[in-house]
Amino acid sequence: AQTVTQSQPEMSVQEAETVTLSCTYDTSESDYYLFWYKQPPSRQMILVIRQEAYKQQNATENRFSVNFQKAAKSFSLKISDSQLGDAAMYFCAYRSAGGSNYKLTFGKGTLLTVNP
Amino acid sequence: GAVVSQHPSRVICKSGTSVKIECRSLDFQATTMFWYRQFPKQSLMLMATSNEGSKATYEQGVEKDKFLINHASLTLSTLTVTSAHPEDSSFYICSAYRDKKLFFGSGTQLSVL
Repeated sequence: AQTVTQSQPEMSVQEAETVTLSCTYDTSESDYYLFWYKQPPSRQMILVIRQEAYKQQNATENRFSVNFQKAAKSFSLKISDSQLGDAAMYFCAYRSAGGSNYKLTFGKGTLLTVNP
Repeated sequence: GAVVSQHPSRVICKSGTSVKIECRSLDFQATTMFWYRQFPKQSLMLMATSNEGSKATYEQGVEKDKFLINHASLTLSTLTVTSAHPEDSSFYICSAYRDKKLFFGSGTQLSVL
């Protein structure tokens, strides 16, 4: 079974600074997807970024980028120019690419605080 | 805009009663939907996979007779918490895939008194 580990329960960053959230995973599969989701106080889950394992290029979405290291099974999220609205719980998630298994496995989350 | 709609957002019920939560995919068909449960300050735990036109697939440890799932159409899945007890109080979230991305409903906070 796949597992996702987020080793940082809490992180804080100054507004306009950069912060990196860590995520590692364990799998024996070669093809899969990785995701970062944001859950603000409203508790609405919002997709931040998605990475396909067979793509070597790191995904980027505006101020959000990932450092995907497949051999190390690492998938960190970098938030640049942090804004107050980035404060939220961030979840890393894994999904197999094969078959009809669309289940997501989530890490325990990292609570990000943005200080003004 | 939202692609998955979930209602109600909050419900309070008495112990022993049943509560139904609806999850709708907007403007797209979802043959598969997922139901998650989230306790305070914890991660999302998958409860079951809802399949249109067939029985739901429950995760280990989830009581299928307590958490009834009905996916009668391609745009609607419902979760019914039967004979609710205080320990069933939690945040329940549904989700559905669209364009290889999983979108979530806004969640339902269930409080059982």
